[in-house]
Amino acid sequence: GAGVSQSPSNKVTEKGKDVELRCDPISGHTALYWYRQRLGQGLEFLIYFQGNSAPDKSGLPSDRFSAERTGESVSTLTIQRTQQEDSAVYLCASRTDLNSPLHFGNGTRLTVT
Amino acid sequence: RKEVEQDPGPFNVPEGATVAFNCTYSNSASQSFFWYRQDCRKEPKLLMSVYSSGNEDGRFTAQLNRASQYISLLIRDSKLSDSATYLCVVDLDSNYQLIWGAGTKLIIKP
Repeated sequence: GAGVSQSPSNKVTEKGKDVELRCDPISGHTALYWYRQRLGQGLEFLIYFQGNSAPDKSGLPSDRFSAERTGESVSTLTIQRTQQEDSAVYLCASRTDLNSPLHFGNGTRLTVT
Repeated sequence: RKEVEQDPGPFNVPEGATVAFNCTYSNSASQSFFWYRQDCRKEPKLLMSVYSSGNEDGRFTAQLNRASQYISLLIRDSKLSDSATYLCVVDLDSNYQLIWGAGTKLIIKP
C-alpha cells in the first residue's frame, strides 16, 4: 500500500518567510511524528500526534514552529519567520499503535537562504 | 547518561566479514526495540524489530539483553550495500515517545 507521503520534497526559502510542510500518513496509522535532522546529525524529535489526544509538542524548538493534524489524516508543520538554522530535513513518520515500528516519509529538505 | 547510546563508529569492515554493534538503553521499562538503517541523505528504514527471544532475518540477527539493558545487531557475510548508519530505537510503554540512538556508521570495504 501507499507509504508516508511528504511534500514538498525540497523547499528553498528566504530568511524571514513562512513555510508549510505537509505529511500524509499511512491510512489507519493513529500516531504521527515529526522529526528534524540536520546534516550529519541524529533525529531531533519535534512533535507527535496520537488520535484525538492533545499532541506532545515538547520538542518544538521555538514558538515559530507549530503543527496541526486533522483527525488521523494529514498533518502540516509550519515554520514562521524562517532562520538559517532551520535548514534541515524534516521527516514525518507514522505507526499504528504502541510497540509497532515507525514508517518514514522521504522527508522535506528545507534550505533557508 | 544518554537514554540510548550507540558507538558512533565508523566501523570499517572488509566485505564478507561479520560485524556486530550494540545499543544500550537506560530505562528498564522499555518495551519495544527496533533497528533502522539510514543511507546518506535518505530517510531511516526499518531493518528489523527486536524480540525478547532474539530474531534473525537472513544475514541479520538481533538480540535483546534485558538484564544488561542493551540490544545488539549482528551482520554476517557483510556486503558493500550494508554500508549505512544503523539506528536503534527504544519504545517506552507508558506513552508514544520513542528514544533514538545517534547511530553507528558502518563502512564495508571491498
